[in-house]
Amino acid sequence: KAGVTQTPRYLIKTRGQQVTLSCSPISGHRSVSWYQQTPGQGLQFLFEYFSETQRNKGNFPGRFSGRQFSNSRSEMNVSTLELGDSALYLCASSEQPANTGELFFGEGSRLTVL
Amino acid sequence: AQTVTQSQPEMSVQEAETVTLSCTYDTSENNYYLFWYKQPPSRQMILVIRQEAYKQQNATENRFSVNFQKAAKSFSLKISDSQLGDTAMYFCAFMKPGTYKYIFGTGTRLKVLA
Repeated sequence: KAGVTQTPRYLIKTRGQQVTLSCSPISGHRSVSWYQQTPGQGLQFLFEYFSETQRNKGNFPGRFSGRQFSNSRSEMNVSTLELGDSALYLCASSEQPANTGELFFGEGSRLTVL
Repeated sequence: AQTVTQSQPEMSVQEAETVTLSCTYDTSENNYYLFWYKQPPSRQMILVIRQEAYKQQNATENRFSVNFQKAAKSFSLKISDSQLGDTAMYFCAFMKPGTYKYIFGTGTRLKVLA
């Protein structure tokens, strides 16, 4: 089975722009979660989707949004980028609802905001 | 709100020796799950070990074991016979069933020395 695939792997944007990141989960996994990883902050939960429904959302401003498609692929969007949005964005999928199961992570999308 | 604290930002250990990484957490919940994840340099994060709070027996996975002290809210990871491939960032994580989100600590960077 292919692992979790995230695209793009690296991107550079300027303040005020918007960005869309994509995540393809492991085949058969219906739960997709997104995390922001920054040095010193660890991983911060952004949101979780299951069967196209957002079931939980972290404490991020409304500029951060996401969605999940019927094939379980997910996208997250950040609008009006700020310097502080520079981070590694990790997507993770889970075979069952992300309740007790292991999370399978992608390699991440590294966003740099100039 | 739950929190996870890893008080050791960096650690090093000689190859073949044993090292223990510390993790404490704060919660008023009685039922939850704890995890240790490993993030090798420039590679995907993977699950090392998982512990259910209702189980008193400490989880073990080959050279990896935990010391779970529920009353003290402590969840340390012991790595025996350390190998160069154990060099990575290690994250402790907490998850309350039904929330669909993991709360991660800030991580411990472990370096195994030859």
